Amino acid sequence: EADIYQTPRYLVIGTGKKITLECSQTMGHDKMYWYQQDPGMELHLIHYSYGVNSTEKGDLSSESTVSRIRTEHFPLTLESARPSHTSQYLCASKGQGTGELFFGEGSRLTVL
Amino acid sequence: SQKIEQNSEALNIQEGKTATLTCNYTNYSPAYLQWYRQDPGRGPVFLLLIRENEKEKRKERLKVTFDTTLKQSLFHITASQPADSATYLCAPSKDGSGNTGKLIFGQGTTLQVKP
Repeated sequence: EADIYQTPRYLVIGTGKKITLECSQTMGHDKMYWYQQDPGMELHLIHYSYGVNSTEKGDLSSESTVSRIRTEHFPLTLESARPSHTSQYLCASKGQGTGELFFGEGSRLTVL
Repeated sequence: SQKIEQNSEALNIQEGKTATLTCNYTNYSPAYLQWYRQDPGRGPVFLLLIRENEKEKRKERLKVTFDTTLKQSLFHITASQPADSATYLCAPSKDGSGNTGKLIFGQGTTLQVKP
């Protein structure tokens, strides 16, 4: 069982609201990632981090921002949500070497 | 640009048969390739990893092959069961070194195993 947690699992909000999606892992992993996935579509990397105070943008341009102040915590923030941000956001982490990604259960965001 | 192709059409098979899923990639040489299972509304779960110098990997009823010449991986589930019904994602590493841990995911193939 993966020790990586995302909250909230589901969020429905109005346009213009600020939202933060939380992601925490208890495995001590340095590398963490945020992927975005629309229904029936592939996962796209939007942010990643190789450790504390390290954040980079992924392949898919996103208006969201991330921070990594603690190893275990990698929150994603949208300052002003829009309907185009409606999607599933998946957080993942990885230990040393070429190993597997551990995914959280995802946060499904709907912006009205 | 780097591209991953998996059968977008669902694969329907009878219980007990072998399911074979295909993953093709173009325009790069990944150091390794992973397969994940994803159930509806859930996060992907890791199944197998195969490195570029490995031809085949097995785990219980699962088998993965990796042909770097054809730029293709095949994923087999033998003696399939209805519980194997899910979407299976192919994920080659984005870079040749594999150090970043960044993956490119295919769209996935949905497998339906009928009793």
